[in-house]
Amino acid sequence: GESVGLHLPTLSVQEGDNSIINCAYSNSASDYFIWYKQESGKGPQFIIDIRSNMDKRQGQRVTVLLNKTVKHLSLQIAATQPGDSAVYFCAESLGFNDYKLSFGAGTTVTVRA
Amino acid sequence: DAGVIQSPRHEVTEMGQEVTLRCKPISGHNSLFWYRQTMMRGLELLIYFNNNVPIDDSGMPEDRFSAKMPNASFSTLKIQPSEPRDSAVYFCASSPVAGGPITEQFFGPGTRLTVL
Repeated sequence: GESVGLHLPTLSVQEGDNSIINCAYSNSASDYFIWYKQESGKGPQFIIDIRSNMDKRQGQRVTVLLNKTVKHLSLQIAATQPGDSAVYFCAESLGFNDYKLSFGAGTTVTVRA
Repeated sequence: DAGVIQSPRHEVTEMGQEVTLRCKPISGHNSLFWYRQTMMRGLELLIYFNNNVPIDDSGMPEDRFSAKMPNASFSTLKIQPSEPRDSAVYFCASSPVAGGPITEQFFGPGTRLTVL
């Protein structure tokens, strides 16, 4: 399943399939990007981050891709599981040590059994 | 590790009443953040403390909002008087490094505030 920018706030994906969540950021000066996962009734939880000098970073079952040319960020989740159902936010900041995060609107991911 | 603790988890009050939200950061963390989350505006930073000192309160919406951090283990966010438009989920987050990697912001479970 794939979401497009912030205009499609929901994504339904079959369990076991790969998910792709997209985010268009606005500030070309942003240097640092983070993906957060927020489950119902909980606070946001850090998933993975990437600095602007990289275009790809991998974690456990997750990969973040950064395309600075078009100001686009994506989060790929491999073999999506029911526990991946949540709202996913991208956040940007001007620097690695900048406490000010600007959050996107979020994409709701629902995993179908 | 208990994580960031917030209380109450839910608060329902009437317009005009004073509301106090509480936060206990993770022990040893010296940065603390208050955020507000609404459907319309998403997650917004209200105020940032470092070593108990308010560093940036530019996100505080108006004078009805105030925040304090009397010691390293406790912070409050107060709204007086409260208004229906203040209804939101308020998150507290803490970070172990002063001005360091913001990846280390750990969020609490939030307080859902409803002002009638």
